[in-house]
Parts: sequence; C-alpha cells; structure tokens
Amino acid sequence: EVQLVQSGAEVKKPGESLKISCEGSGYSFAIYWIGWVRQMPGKGLEWMAIIYPRDSDTRYSPSFQGQVTISADKSINTAYLQWSSLTASDTATYYCARRSWGSWYFDLWGRGTLVTVSS
Amino acid sequence: QSALTQPASVSGSPGQSITISCTGTSSDVGSYNYVSWYQQHPGKAPKLMIFDVSSRPSGVSNRFSGSKSGNTASLTISGLQAEDEADYYCSSYTSTSTWVFGGGTKLTVL
Repeated sequence: EVQLVQSGAEVKKPGESLKISCEGSGYSFAIYWIGWVRQMPGKGLEWMAIIYPRDSDTRYSPSFQGQVTISADKSINTAYLQWSSLTASDTATYYCARRSWGSWYFDLWGRGTLVTVSS
Repeated sequence: QSALTQPASVSGSPGQSITISCTGTSSDVGSYNYVSWYQQHPGKAPKLMIFDVSSRPSGVSNRFSGSKSGNTASLTISGLQAEDEADYYCSSYTSTSTWVFGGGTKLTVL
C-alpha cells in the first residue's frame, strides 16, 4: 500500500528539542519530494518546507526558514521535521505530504503528528 | 509570502451549487496553472480534489470542478451533498519555488 506513516503525538516543554518523522512505503521514496504543512489548533493549513530525499535539496517558506529544519534518510525511506527549541506557538498538527512526481500538487498525505508544547 | 485569500465560509442547500474563490497575486496564482484544492474533514488529513487548476484525481466526483481567471482561482461544487460539508483549501506553486495555501473556507450544507 502506498502511504506516509507519521510518528506519534508528542508533548514537550518550552525550550526542548524535537524531531518528528514521516516514513513512506509502497513507492520509490527517494524520487518524490516530501513537504511539511502546519495546522495550528482551529486554524488553516500553512506550507512550511519541502525536501527531495534523493539529494536532500530543500526549500523553505520564508515564514519557517530558520525556525525548523527538515531532513531525509533515503536509506530508510524517512523524512524528518525538527526543532531545536520549542515554544508554545509550535503547538499544532504537522502533516507530511508527497509531491506528485513531476507535478506541483500533493497527492498523498500522512495522518498528521500532533505536537503540544506546554509548561 | 501571504496566504491566498478565500472566503471564510460558504453555504448551500443539498442539490445546489456553490463556488469558492481563491485570490492570489501575479507571483503565484496568476503566473502558474498549478492551483490545487484540498478537502479536509474535521480531524482528518487533507484530500486532493483538484490539481492543475481544473483536473480531477481518479476517484473524485465530477461534481467538483475548478477554473482560473487572472489571479483568482475557483472551486465549484455542484449537486451539493451532506458529505461535502468540510473545510476547503486552495494552494498554488509560487515564483520562489515554494507553495502557499489559502486561509481555508468552511462549507456548510444546510
């Protein structure tokens, strides 16, 4: 089955670091861009960044540049989104999504990872 | 990079048609035929409904259609059904090789 499986919900304290994952299966993971999308509670979708696992080429939204880091390990078909120092405003659900090959839309989505940052 | 502009809410009765607009700029919607639309039910992941302005993925009802004129794209849903009640988001590729979403529109089926 073609799918993206995201890591489980996280509860963290402000200032802590975090790395969440997105594992692809059922397709050639390395040659499809993987994007990350934030959805704060009760709010809309926000495009964050995208990575090409084959060579780790990345693009960031100006709103998220320097705030998060994305990476990928093609040997284990997994993409990552990480924070070095969380704040309460990072509380959100984070989705990974596959960019359709050679196209400009996202055809396959993970179920999302809920990140809660609270003291 | 500002979000694309969508109405916060639209509503319609079963069987009717509704249209959701999505206004961007010459740096995104106006420059590329790479507008896509996503449906999101509460607590669920987004689902692709329209890509490349007006194309439908396999399995999506032909009641969903898309169009674009200048900097504004539109999603039309005809023959409204109860299960269409959801949030809808437009998205566009941009001139900085990134993507941008609209603020989202809540569709209520009366």
